[in-house]
Amino acid sequence: DTAVSQTPKYLVTQMGNDKSIKCEQNLGHDTMYWYKQDSKKFLKIMFSYNNKELIINETVPNRFSPKSPDKAHLNLHINSLELGDSAVYFCASTRDRGHTGELFFGEGSRLTVL
Amino acid sequence: TQLLEQSPQFLSIQEGENLTVYCNSSSVFSSLQWYRQEPGEGPVLLVTVVTGGEVKKLKRLTFQFGDARKDSSLHITAAQPGDTGLYLCAGRNSGGSNYKLTFGKGTLLTVNP
Repeated sequence: DTAVSQTPKYLVTQMGNDKSIKCEQNLGHDTMYWYKQDSKKFLKIMFSYNNKELIINETVPNRFSPKSPDKAHLNLHINSLELGDSAVYFCASTRDRGHTGELFFGEGSRLTVL
Repeated sequence: TQLLEQSPQFLSIQEGENLTVYCNSSSVFSSLQWYRQEPGEGPVLLVTVVTGGEVKKLKRLTFQFGDARKDSSLHITAAQPGDTGLYLCAGRNSGGSNYKLTFGKGTLLTVNP
């Protein structure tokens, strides 16, 4: 069984479109994250939710809007897509958001904006 | 913003060689983790170090946390092709109750047979 699953795995779209990426975890974790990995492999945190409450919101354009309908799901909606949004987006979850907690990552969703 | 600098950025070696990857920062971390990422997959945790000077071993991999908790190293002995991947260090500091995990830019290791 996949622990953290993201859909879609690949997404190719035109500039200006709106798209969503979905994430689900079956680990029973309370905390979920969205990370963006650019072409140079730099992994940068975007958002974090704990029990449906937003707890980390990095400097991300407001075209990006996360939504957590329940603690097992965290979706990412992106409006008015731009070329620079092309990247791999990773969802992750953790049982322990303290200083030793392990992050469990999904396989990533590769977004290409043309 | 806390920065983690990893070196080298790229490393290509022959099977059987030893190597060391470094992770440095000017900031103090409450803990530091090493993850490995293979193509098309998400990062997977290798180890967590918490105490300054701590050394942990995972088969042929040896991890060390600096005494001042600002840096770490990963040493691989007798590298194998299966060790190929992107190695990421990640640190946490105490930020209220939300310990944010900050990643370094990674070291891409290729072990040639």
